[in-house]
Amino acid sequence: SQQGEEDPQALSIQEGENATMNCSYKTSINNLQWYRQNSGRGLVHLILIRSNEREKHSGRLRVTLDTSKKSSSLLITASRAADTASYFCATDPYSGGSNYKLTFGKGTLLTVNP
Amino acid sequence: DGGITQSPKYLFRKEGQNVTLSCEQNLNHDAMYWYRQDPGQGLRLIYYSQIVNDFQKGDIAEGYSVSREKKESFPLTVTSAQKNPTAFYLCASRGQGLNEQYFGPGTRLTVT
Repeated sequence: SQQGEEDPQALSIQEGENATMNCSYKTSINNLQWYRQNSGRGLVHLILIRSNEREKHSGRLRVTLDTSKKSSSLLITASRAADTASYFCATDPYSGGSNYKLTFGKGTLLTVNP
Repeated sequence: DGGITQSPKYLFRKEGQNVTLSCEQNLNHDAMYWYRQDPGQGLRLIYYSQIVNDFQKGDIAEGYSVSREKKESFPLTVTSAQKNPTAFYLCASRGQGLNEQYFGPGTRLTVT
C-alpha cells in the first residue's frame, strides 16, 4: 500500500533555483524520511524528521513536517545539475510495535538544467 | 569497504524459470528487505527479515520466496508463479537502533 504520495510527479528547474517537493501520507507516523535515487541506482538516505519535529536542516536540504495535515516538504536550495534524481518520501508508520517497515511514495523526478 | 552488494546487475531469464537474486551486506545489520520497483513507481515491499532464520511477507510476496540462513545474506527467488517478474529489484538493510535503510545498487531482471 502506498502511504506517501509525492507532489509534483516531475519538476524541471534551472541550476541555482530552489526545488520544493511535497509528500502527503495517511496514517500516524514515527518518522518520515527522504531518499534520493539516481537513474538505475539504489536509494540513498538524505534526511529523517521525527513526528515531534517541525523542521530539520542538512546542508542545502530543509525538511518540514506538519503532522496535523499529514504532510512534509523537502526543499533543495541553490540546486545543481548533480541534484538531478528521483526523490522519495518514506514513512515509518506508528504501529505500537517495532516492525520497522517503511512505506515509500512514487517519487518526484527532479531535473536541474545547467 | 562496508556496504550492500547485489548481483548480478542485469539478469535475463526465460518465462517459466525460477531465478535467485543475491544480496549480501557486511554492515552487521540485523534487518534486511527486498523491494520491487516498476518504471515511474515507488518501492513495494516483497519480504523482510529482522533476524536470522526469520522473515515476513511484505505487500507483494506472491510468487517470491526468501531465506535468511546467515546474517549477511538474504537471497530472493523469483518463481515461475510470479506473473510479471520483469522489474528492478532492490535490497536494503537496517541496523539495530537505526531508522534509515541502506540500499544496494539493484538488479534489473528481464523475463521474456
